[in-house]
Amino acid sequence: GAGVSQSPSNKVTEKGKDVELRCDPISGHTALYWYRQSLGQGLEFLIYFQGNSAPDKSGLPSDRFSAERTGGSVSTLTIQRTQQEDSAVYLCASSPGTGFDEQFFGPGTRLTVL
Amino acid sequence: GDSVTQMEGPVTLSEEAFLTINCTYTATGYPSLFWYVQYPGEGLQLLLKATKADDKGSNKGFEATYRKETTSFHLEKGSVQVSDSAVYFCALLSSGGSYIPTFGRGTSLIVHP
Repeated sequence: GAGVSQSPSNKVTEKGKDVELRCDPISGHTALYWYRQSLGQGLEFLIYFQGNSAPDKSGLPSDRFSAERTGGSVSTLTIQRTQQEDSAVYLCASSPGTGFDEQFFGPGTRLTVL
Repeated sequence: GDSVTQMEGPVTLSEEAFLTINCTYTATGYPSLFWYVQYPGEGLQLLLKATKADDKGSNKGFEATYRKETTSFHLEKGSVQVSDSAVYFCALLSSGGSYIPTFGRGTSLIVHP
């Protein structure tokens, strides 16, 4: 079956521009996560959605980062006024929901800020 | 807070060599432990997991045993293949009700023919 998909696969932007990254989770998965993977670093948690509950935004590094999830499915991560330190691979993962511990990851979006 | 420490990479081995990637953790309670693998150009995928002390997770010839006394979950494989070249992440999910896992920094494995 279809896995988690992300688009675009690569994004190059200029400093100061806004970018939107998209994640399509596995159908029926109620939990959705965004992570940032920087070179030589582990996965940095950004935000977590579970069903219709308020998202856990505790990992967002600044107010330039925001995310939404429409209809409990597709999610968009928006980075405003991008900075060079935002360059990283942004990974999305989904899970069937509470009580299920495995996460299913997408291939990621590689963001390069010039 | 919770944390996961993995050995630094890259780990470079010849085909058919024995592999160990060390992972230790700090957590309250009884976390679930995981190894994820990331092949080049792909997202992470679950390799194996263990949910309680002394459990052994295994998959594709890889094994890891949940050692509460040493707070460790070392990954092992008896004979690696070139196709095992990837980045391996150790992770934990706390038993305290959080649904946000903690990941280690990842260990790159390079296997030469």
